[in-house]
Amino acid sequence: DQQVKQNSPSLSVQEGRISILNCDYTNSMFDYFLWYKKYPAEGPTFLISISSIKDKNEDGRFTVFLNKSAKHLSLHIVPSQPGDSAVYFCAASRYVKIIFGKGTRLHILP
Amino acid sequence: NAGVTQTPKFRVLKTGQSMTLLCAQDMNHEYMYWYRQDPGMGLRLIHYSVGEGTTAKGEVPDGYNVSRLKKQNFLLGLESAAPSQTSVYFCASSLSPGQGGDEQFFGPGTRLTVL
Repeated sequence: DQQVKQNSPSLSVQEGRISILNCDYTNSMFDYFLWYKKYPAEGPTFLISISSIKDKNEDGRFTVFLNKSAKHLSLHIVPSQPGDSAVYFCAASRYVKIIFGKGTRLHILP
Repeated sequence: NAGVTQTPKFRVLKTGQSMTLLCAQDMNHEYMYWYRQDPGMGLRLIHYSVGEGTTAKGEVPDGYNVSRLKKQNFLLGLESAAPSQTSVYFCASSLSPGQGGDEQFFGPGTRLTVL
């Protein structure tokens, strides 16, 4: 049973527009939610996180929104750039363990 | 500052062979992790360590063993490799949980094929 779900395997967005990646979770006990970005043949790199007690966190072009009642979070990238083309993993953590979603492949179109 | 490094980068094994994957970090992190990533899947936690001399099972520990004899190193062993263990293996490290969102720093991965 997947505790962290990314229902869109891929997403294409025009350069300069907003990219919105979505994630749902089932366990209300998670402490933090994180987004990681992964390029081919590289390890994932941390992008942004949000505590379960907050509903928004912003870092430059990246904003994460958390809706606890819906058990849903989203990552907004504005404006989208070619270098944003990658696989994005949503993750949720409680203490040591992190549960990852299956990822969404983002294509930024010129 | 190399961050997290993994050796080897690639390896091909025959069924039944054994091998050890080495992970090293130079960030003085307490916590270290081994994940596997399969096509169409997210990363799944194999084993983790909360400090030197400690290890614990993750989500998919069967067929693997680990050791953390030194704080900077975390070894993943396959005693008798099986084709189902063909995967990309990632090591990661982090500060203690609860600080800044549990950010983990990942190595570049080891691509393992078991024939």
